Amino acid sequence: KQEVTQIPAALSVPEGENLVLNCSFTDSAIYNLQWFRQDPGKGLTSLLLIQSSQREQTSGRLNASLDKSSGRSTLYIAASQPGDSATYLCAVRRVIQGAQKLVFGQGTRLTINP
Amino acid sequence: NAGVTQTPKFQVLKTGQSMTLQCAQDMNHEYMSWYRQDPGMGLRLIHYSVGAGITDQGEVPNGYNVSRSTTEDFPLRLLSAAPSQTSVYFCASTRGRSGRSWDEQFFGPGTRLTVL
Repeated sequence: KQEVTQIPAALSVPEGENLVLNCSFTDSAIYNLQWFRQDPGKGLTSLLLIQSSQREQTSGRLNASLDKSSGRSTLYIAASQPGDSATYLCAVRRVIQGAQKLVFGQGTRLTINP
Repeated sequence: NAGVTQTPKFQVLKTGQSMTLQCAQDMNHEYMSWYRQDPGMGLRLIHYSVGAGITDQGEVPNGYNVSRSTTEDFPLRLLSAAPSQTSVYFCASTRGRSGRSWDEQFFGPGTRLTVL
Protein backbone atom coordinates (compact mmCIF):
# COMPACT_ATOMS: atom_id res chain seq x y z
CA LYS A 1 0.00 0.00 0.00
CA GLN A 2 1.30 3.41 -0.94
CA GLU A 3 1.94 5.58 2.10
CA VAL A 4 2.98 9.20 2.13
CA THR A 5 4.62 10.68 5.20
CA GLN A 6 5.39 14.28 5.98
CA ILE A 7 7.77 15.21 8.73
CA PRO A 8 7.61 17.31 10.80
CA ALA A 9 3.89 17.60 11.47
CA ALA A 10 4.41 21.20 12.57
CA LEU A 11 7.19 23.73 12.14
CA SER A 12 7.63 27.25 13.51
CA VAL A 13 10.41 29.52 12.28
CA PRO A 14 11.20 33.25 12.36
CA GLU A 15 10.56 35.39 9.33
CA GLY A 16 13.31 35.50 6.74
CA GLU A 17 14.62 31.99 7.27
CA ASN A 18 15.00 29.47 4.48
CA LEU A 19 13.28 26.19 5.28
CA VAL A 20 12.72 22.70 3.94
CA LEU A 21 9.61 20.55 4.20
CA ASN A 22 9.94 16.82 3.69
CA CYS A 23 7.73 14.25 2.01
CA SER A 24 8.50 10.54 1.70
CA PHE A 25 6.59 7.80 -0.10
CA THR A 26 6.88 4.05 0.04
CA ASP A 27 6.36 3.06 -3.60
CA SER A 28 8.48 4.69 -6.29
CA ALA A 29 6.11 3.72 -9.12
CA ILE A 30 4.49 7.15 -9.26
CA TYR A 31 3.40 9.32 -12.16
CA ASN A 32 3.97 12.62 -10.41
CA LEU A 33 4.12 14.42 -7.09
CA GLN A 34 2.21 17.58 -6.29
CA TRP A 35 2.67 20.07 -3.46
CA PHE A 36 -0.35 21.96 -2.16
CA ARG A 37 -0.94 24.74 0.29
CA GLN A 38 -4.03 24.86 2.51
CA ASP A 39 -4.99 27.90 4.57
CA PRO A 40 -7.28 27.36 7.58
CA GLY A 41 -10.86 26.75 6.50
CA LYS A 42 -9.94 26.91 2.82
CA GLY A 43 -9.38 24.57 -0.08
CA LEU A 44 -6.11 23.27 -1.48
CA THR A 45 -4.03 25.47 -3.74
CA SER A 46 -1.61 23.76 -6.10
CA LEU A 47 1.95 25.03 -5.68
CA LEU A 48 4.17 22.78 -7.76
CA LEU A 49 3.81 19.64 -9.85
CA ILE A 50 6.81 17.39 -10.55
CA GLN A 51 6.43 14.67 -13.15
CA SER A 52 8.18 11.37 -12.45
CA SER A 53 10.77 12.11 -15.14
CA GLN A 54 11.71 15.44 -13.58
CA ARG A 55 14.07 16.22 -10.69
CA GLU A 56 12.79 19.61 -9.61
CA GLN A 57 10.41 22.46 -10.26
CA THR A 58 10.62 26.12 -9.24
CA SER A 59 8.06 28.85 -8.76
CA GLY A 60 9.18 32.12 -7.25
CA ARG A 61 10.58 31.45 -3.76
CA LEU A 62 9.53 27.80 -3.90
CA ASN A 63 11.61 24.92 -5.16
CA ALA A 64 10.49 21.30 -5.06
CA SER A 65 12.75 18.34 -5.72
CA LEU A 66 11.94 14.71 -6.40
CA ASP A 67 14.12 11.64 -5.87
CA LYS A 68 12.04 8.66 -6.94
CA SER A 69 14.69 6.08 -6.15
CA SER A 70 14.80 7.07 -2.49
CA GLY A 71 11.09 7.90 -2.29
CA ARG A 72 11.62 11.49 -1.21
CA SER A 73 10.59 15.00 -2.12
CA THR A 74 11.47 18.30 -0.51
CA LEU A 75 9.82 21.69 -0.71
CA TYR A 76 12.29 24.52 -0.18
CA ILE A 77 10.91 27.93 0.80
CA ALA A 78 13.37 30.81 0.55
CA ALA A 79 13.20 33.98 2.65
CA SER A 80 10.04 32.92 4.47
CA GLN A 81 7.29 35.46 5.16
CA PRO A 82 4.35 35.47 7.61
CA GLY A 83 2.05 35.02 4.60
CA ASP A 84 3.66 31.61 4.02
CA SER A 85 1.99 30.32 7.20
CA ALA A 86 -0.29 27.47 6.17
CA THR A 87 -0.46 23.69 6.02
CA TYR A 88 1.58 22.18 3.20
CA LEU A 89 0.49 18.85 1.72
CA CYS A 90 2.26 16.58 -0.70
CA ALA A 91 0.50 13.98 -2.81
CA VAL A 92 1.71 11.29 -5.19
CA ARG A 93 -0.22 10.04 -8.19
CA ARG A 94 -0.06 6.38 -8.95
CA VAL A 95 -2.16 3.46 -10.12
CA ILE A 96 -4.06 1.75 -7.31
CA GLN A 97 -6.30 -1.19 -8.16
CA GLY A 98 -6.21 -0.26 -11.84
CA ALA A 99 -7.14 3.41 -11.36
CA GLN A 100 -5.16 6.63 -11.19
CA LYS A 101 -5.33 8.11 -7.71
CA LEU A 102 -3.70 10.79 -5.59
CA VAL A 103 -2.40 9.67 -2.21
CA PHE A 104 -1.90 12.45 0.32
CA GLY A 105 0.39 12.94 3.26
CA GLN A 106 -0.96 14.32 6.52
CA GLY A 107 0.67 17.71 5.96
CA THR A 108 3.11 20.00 7.72
CA ARG A 109 1.63 22.98 9.55
CA LEU A 110 4.02 25.88 9.03
CA THR A 111 4.05 29.03 11.13
CA ILE A 112 6.29 31.97 10.22
CA ASN A 113 6.77 34.33 13.13
CA PRO A 114 7.23 38.07 12.39
CA ASN B 1 -12.28 30.62 -15.62
CA ALA B 2 -14.01 30.01 -12.28
CA GLY B 3 -12.08 26.76 -11.85
CA VAL B 4 -13.74 24.24 -9.52
CA THR B 5 -16.81 25.55 -7.70
CA GLN B 6 -18.76 23.93 -4.86
CA THR B 7 -22.06 24.68 -3.23
CA PRO B 8 -23.07 25.07 -0.49
CA LYS B 9 -20.13 26.29 1.58
CA PHE B 10 -21.73 25.22 4.85
CA GLN B 11 -24.55 22.79 5.64
CA VAL B 12 -26.11 21.38 8.79
CA LEU B 13 -28.21 18.22 8.50
CA LYS B 14 -30.10 16.04 10.91
CA THR B 15 -29.40 12.31 11.03
CA GLY B 16 -31.31 10.54 8.29
CA GLN B 17 -31.72 13.53 5.99
CA SER B 18 -30.44 13.41 2.44
CA MET B 19 -28.79 16.10 0.40
CA THR B 20 -26.64 16.75 -2.65
CA LEU B 21 -23.35 18.60 -2.68
CA GLN B 22 -22.80 20.32 -5.97
CA CYS B 23 -19.51 20.50 -7.86
CA ALA B 24 -18.81 22.07 -11.24
CA GLN B 25 -15.69 22.86 -13.27
CA ASP B 26 -15.30 24.98 -16.38
CA MET B 27 -11.89 23.70 -17.51
CA ASN B 28 -13.22 20.81 -19.63
CA HIS B 29 -11.47 18.32 -17.35
CA GLU B 30 -12.23 14.65 -17.83
CA TYR B 31 -11.30 13.50 -14.33
CA MET B 32 -13.25 14.59 -11.27
CA SER B 33 -13.08 13.38 -7.69
CA TRP B 34 -14.65 13.81 -4.28
CA TYR B 35 -12.59 13.76 -1.09
CA ARG B 36 -13.37 14.16 2.55
CA GLN B 37 -10.94 15.69 5.01
CA ASP B 38 -11.02 14.78 8.67
CA PRO B 39 -8.58 15.69 11.48
CA GLY B 40 -5.92 13.01 11.82
CA MET B 41 -7.18 11.13 8.76
CA GLY B 42 -6.03 13.45 6.01
CA LEU B 43 -7.75 13.51 2.64
CA ARG B 44 -9.57 10.35 1.59
CA LEU B 45 -11.06 9.61 -1.79
CA ILE B 46 -14.82 8.95 -1.81
CA HIS B 47 -15.72 8.56 -5.50
CA TYR B 48 -14.18 9.56 -8.78
CA SER B 49 -15.10 9.84 -12.45
CA VAL B 50 -12.92 9.44 -15.53
CA GLY B 51 -15.49 11.00 -17.86
CA ALA B 52 -19.17 11.63 -18.41
CA GLY B 53 -21.16 8.51 -17.60
CA ILE B 54 -18.26 6.76 -15.84
CA THR B 55 -17.85 6.68 -12.06
CA ASP B 56 -16.08 4.44 -9.59
CA GLN B 57 -15.56 4.04 -5.86
CA GLY B 58 -12.64 5.36 -3.86
CA GLU B 59 -11.49 4.46 -0.34
CA VAL B 60 -14.60 5.47 1.61
CA PRO B 61 -17.66 5.22 -0.70
CA ASN B 62 -20.26 3.90 1.76
CA GLY B 63 -23.20 6.24 2.29
CA TYR B 64 -22.47 8.31 -0.82
CA ASN B 65 -23.66 8.20 -4.43
CA VAL B 66 -22.37 10.03 -7.47
CA SER B 67 -23.33 10.47 -11.10
CA ARG B 68 -21.68 12.23 -14.02
CA SER B 69 -24.17 13.17 -16.71
CA THR B 70 -22.03 16.03 -18.10
CA THR B 71 -18.32 16.80 -18.24
CA GLU B 72 -18.84 19.90 -16.08
CA ASP B 73 -20.85 18.58 -13.13
CA PHE B 74 -20.15 15.91 -10.53
CA PRO B 75 -22.66 15.98 -7.65
CA LEU B 76 -22.21 13.97 -4.47
CA ARG B 77 -25.35 12.62 -2.79
CA LEU B 78 -25.65 11.67 0.84
CA LEU B 79 -28.44 9.13 0.99
CA SER B 80 -29.18 9.11 4.74
CA ALA B 81 -26.84 11.40 6.67
CA ALA B 82 -25.02 10.06 9.72
CA PRO B 83 -22.89 11.90 12.30
CA SER B 84 -19.86 10.01 10.97
CA GLN B 85 -20.27 11.98 7.74
CA THR B 86 -19.51 15.25 9.49
CA SER B 87 -16.50 16.45 7.56
CA VAL B 88 -15.15 18.90 5.01
CA TYR B 89 -15.80 17.76 1.46
CA PHE B 90 -13.62 18.75 -1.47
CA CYS B 91 -14.26 18.30 -5.14
CA ALA B 92 -11.28 18.18 -7.50
CA SER B 93 -10.60 17.90 -11.21
CA THR B 94 -7.73 17.28 -13.56
CA ARG B 95 -7.34 17.17 -17.31
CA GLY B 96 -5.76 13.77 -16.96
CA ARG B 97 -3.01 12.12 -18.91
CA SER B 98 -0.85 13.72 -21.58
CA GLY B 99 1.62 11.24 -22.94
CA ARG B 100 3.58 9.87 -20.00
CA SER B 101 2.63 12.80 -17.77
CA TRP B 102 -0.41 13.58 -15.65
CA ASP B 103 -1.75 17.07 -15.31
CA GLU B 104 -2.06 18.83 -11.96
CA GLN B 105 -5.15 18.48 -9.83
CA PHE B 106 -7.26 21.48 -8.90
CA PHE B 107 -9.50 21.66 -5.84
CA GLY B 108 -12.68 23.49 -5.03
CA PRO B 109 -13.11 25.61 -1.87
CA GLY B 110 -14.89 22.87 0.06
CA THR B 111 -18.21 22.25 1.78
CA ARG B 112 -18.22 22.05 5.56
CA LEU B 113 -20.93 19.57 6.58
CA THR B 114 -22.21 18.93 10.08
CA VAL B 115 -24.62 16.08 10.79
CA LEU B 116 -26.43 16.28 14.13
